[in-house]
Formats: sequence, structure tokens, C-alpha cells
Amino acid sequence: QVQLQESGPGLVKPSETLSLTCTVSGGSISSNSSYWTWIRQPPGKGLEWIGHIYYSGSTNYNPSLKSRVTISLATSKNQFSLKLSSVTAADTAVYYCARYKEDDSRFYPDYWGQGTPVTVSS
Amino acid sequence: QSVLTQPPSASGTPGQRVTISCSGSNSNIGSDTVNWHQQLPGTAPKLLIYSNNQRPSGVPDRFSGSQSGTSASLAISGLQSEDEADYYCAAWDDSLNGVVFGGGTKLTVL
Repeated sequence: QVQLQESGPGLVKPSETLSLTCTVSGGSISSNSSYWTWIRQPPGKGLEWIGHIYYSGSTNYNPSLKSRVTISLATSKNQFSLKLSSVTAADTAVYYCARYKEDDSRFYPDYWGQGTPVTVSS
Repeated sequence: QSVLTQPPSASGTPGQRVTISCSGSNSNIGSDTVNWHQQLPGTAPKLLIYSNNQRPSGVPDRFSGSQSGTSASLAISGLQSEDEADYYCAAWDDSLNGVVFGGGTKLTVL
């Protein structure tokens, strides 16, 4: 049973960089069918895909966030991380990490973290 | 403005059958499979349906999904009070090269 747990500061100042880590247990982050993903949900709003990283290190990002986002792997720690630069109040959200599994052309998030709230405020 | 379009709300009485629609385009639902997520109040989303119509282990068969052309739908039969939640559709978008979500449908059990 794979488990994911987000961690990081709950408060970030405007114009600074938001940094979060997702720790994976019960499975290897080096699995060749797994895409390690960040998704966020602003208060009272819907879900927004931020991006993902494959075990090889290749990434895909939401075009609307691409200039500010970096997702990276720390395979020795079985973790992956999110950095979002130049944050504003619009980046206030609950941030989720998830594992998307690729299986015979199917692509779906079978495991989610519990989410961590991040507020951008001075 | 979400790439996938869902009705903002739906409702039904216990025991009833309810359907939630999800409309997309050729670059997402028309070319890739659809996943549905259930989000109970104050909790993380949970995978409900994947690959258009597959149920993960533990999801009751009251939940079913279908896809046709550029639209998909989620059906819930034998509606129960614990089904009251937000439901989101999602798919890969070949044009955006990323996952796109619907805006979510809030289901109320009357």
C-alpha cells in the first residue's frame, strides 16, 4: 500500500518561493510506471493539475504555471518536491501530491496524499 | 474556467439514480480516458472511476462511468446520504500536454 505525505511551510510571503516535499512510503519512487504529481485546490474552488515528474526525471508542467514551477526527485530519500516561485495570494491553496499510474494506456491517480494548506500572505 | 465542463450542482433523494455529465473536446475526452474523483467534505479526493468505466477495489458497483465521443458521465444508483460530496472528472489533454479537470459537481442528497 503506497502512502504519500506532504510537508512544508504553511505560510509563505508574497514574491517568495513555495517549497513542498512529498514523502513516499510503501513503494519505490523509481517505479517505471509512476508519475509523481502535484495538484492544488484553492479555497472553495476546484482541482488544478500543477505538473508531474517521471522516475527518469522528465517533467510536464501546467502551461499556466510553467514559468514558475520546478518538480524534482530525491530518489535516495524516496521523495519528490515542488517549488513555485514568485507566489501571490492566488497561489493560496491546499496542495496535494499524488501518484499517477500508467497501465496499458490507462493513466490515473491511484494514491493521494492528505493535502497540506499553504497560505500566501505577508 | 475549467477545460472540462460539469454542472455545478446535482441532487437526488435516497435510492434514486443520479447522473453527472462531463463535456470536453477531441484533445482530451475524445482521445484519452476519463477518471472520476469523489471528494468528501474536508478530505482529499479519492479515485472513483478510472479509464472511463473501471472501479478501483472497494468502490461499490452503485458507481458507474461511461464515455462517448467528447463527453463522459458518472452514474450513481441507489443514492445514499454518504454519497453527498463533490465529484470531479479529469482527463489527459494532448494539446496542453497535461491533466485537465472539470470544475466539479456538488451532489446533494435531499
